[in-house]
Amino acid sequence: DVKVTQSSRYLVKRTGEKVFLECVQDMDHENMFWYRQDPGLGLRLIYFSYDVKMKEKGDIPEGYSVSREKKERFSLILESASTNQTSMYLCASTSDSLYEQYFGPGTRLTVT
Amino acid sequence: GQSLEQPSEVTAVEGAIVQINCTYQTSGFYGLSWYQQHDGGAPTFLSYNALDGLEETGRFSSFLSRSDSYGYLLLQELQMKDSASYFCAVRDNTGGFKTIFGAGTRLFVKA
Repeated sequence: DVKVTQSSRYLVKRTGEKVFLECVQDMDHENMFWYRQDPGLGLRLIYFSYDVKMKEKGDIPEGYSVSREKKERFSLILESASTNQTSMYLCASTSDSLYEQYFGPGTRLTVT
Repeated sequence: GQSLEQPSEVTAVEGAIVQINCTYQTSGFYGLSWYQQHDGGAPTFLSYNALDGLEETGRFSSFLSRSDSYGYLLLQELQMKDSASYFCAVRDNTGGFKTIFGAGTRLFVKA
């Protein structure tokens, strides 16, 4: 079974803090994604990566950066957290030969 | 711009059939996927259509018409456990495996 894990299920941070969200997949997938999910807005793509050290902006990259130093790990960084970044963050992965994305359990981030 | 439209909410009774529609407008198109998400859970993949026509997987079927930029998910013999949110998603062929999701349809199954 494909397993995608995220470092925290719940996280509370203060405005202005630097926040790291970690995602690890164990199936040697080339492609990894970070989404945020807000009620009524569905899943919105923040960044994705198709190879180590490669990254592409999604639809809402502002205020975020990413890092992919190893194939299995994709990190999302909030340089200076703001209250409008309070959301559910979902990581996903897929391989070049698959249609489906496999999602992690999500991290519910609250910025106060 | 890129957008996917699907109804926000659908209600049906146990044992019935329900259809969730999705229309899309994207700069590139590689295929249409459907995902299910229960409250508190992660989205899980249900089906994928790259070509026109109907794909059947047990009680769930998915249809695609590329000329109409339209697809639907058909759920038969509804069960209470089918109460969840359903997302259509377009895999874009203009930038790797970028996938755009719709806002989701909340399905309520009543006894």
